[in-house]
Amino acid sequence: NAGVTQTPKFRVLKTGQSMTLLCAQDMNHEYMYWYRQDPGMGLRLIHYSVGEGTTAKGEVPDGYNVSRLKKQNFLLGLESAAPSQTSVYFCASRPDRGIGYTFGSGTRLTVV
Amino acid sequence: GENVEQHPSTLSVQEGDSAVIKCTYSDSASNYFPWYKQELGKRPQLIIDIRSNVGEKKDQRIAVTLNKTAKHFSLHITETQPEDSAVYFCAASAWSNYQLIWGAGTKLIIKP
Repeated sequence: NAGVTQTPKFRVLKTGQSMTLLCAQDMNHEYMYWYRQDPGMGLRLIHYSVGEGTTAKGEVPDGYNVSRLKKQNFLLGLESAAPSQTSVYFCASRPDRGIGYTFGSGTRLTVV
Repeated sequence: GENVEQHPSTLSVQEGDSAVIKCTYSDSASNYFPWYKQELGKRPQLIIDIRSNVGEKKDQRIAVTLNKTAKHFSLHITETQPEDSAVYFCAASAWSNYQLIWGAGTKLIIKP
């Protein structure tokens, strides 16, 4: 039982490049979330999903796209990376509302 | 929309003393209140949570209290130790919300 696994753990991108971050959970959780956390700051919600095949925008969705084709996976895409997207990205999941999140270990992304 | 305010932003206490962090929420329908601890470079981890039908919950040296009338909840850490140094986040959600609404975080510093 691995919990929430994020890949990759670290990545350096050049401005304009694209990439996909993968979040996988093996707990059969319905809800999944993508957050970004800038240095010394709190968590800001990018996108979330309330079930397989669904996605919704969070607080800071611009420049990102997501997909949830399988219940266990939630993908975050950056189509054209910008230096402002340099951040630590956390994925989280939970089985239902009214229950806490389980976080992945994070992806540290640097855009140069 | 729902808003969660967290105070103080930084708290410095002597080792062995108690620490108290307070959060205020705006949505009276909120019924779930978790607290997360984030050590430097690590993921946020759930340390304790409370639901609206309970006024207080304890787990060893940590406790959370909830005042629904005043719409605030607090984290209490007794006999603080160096390993308590971290950033603590409060959050709140109502059953109608698919996401947690986060406080801005409190950096707790334990002085030896």
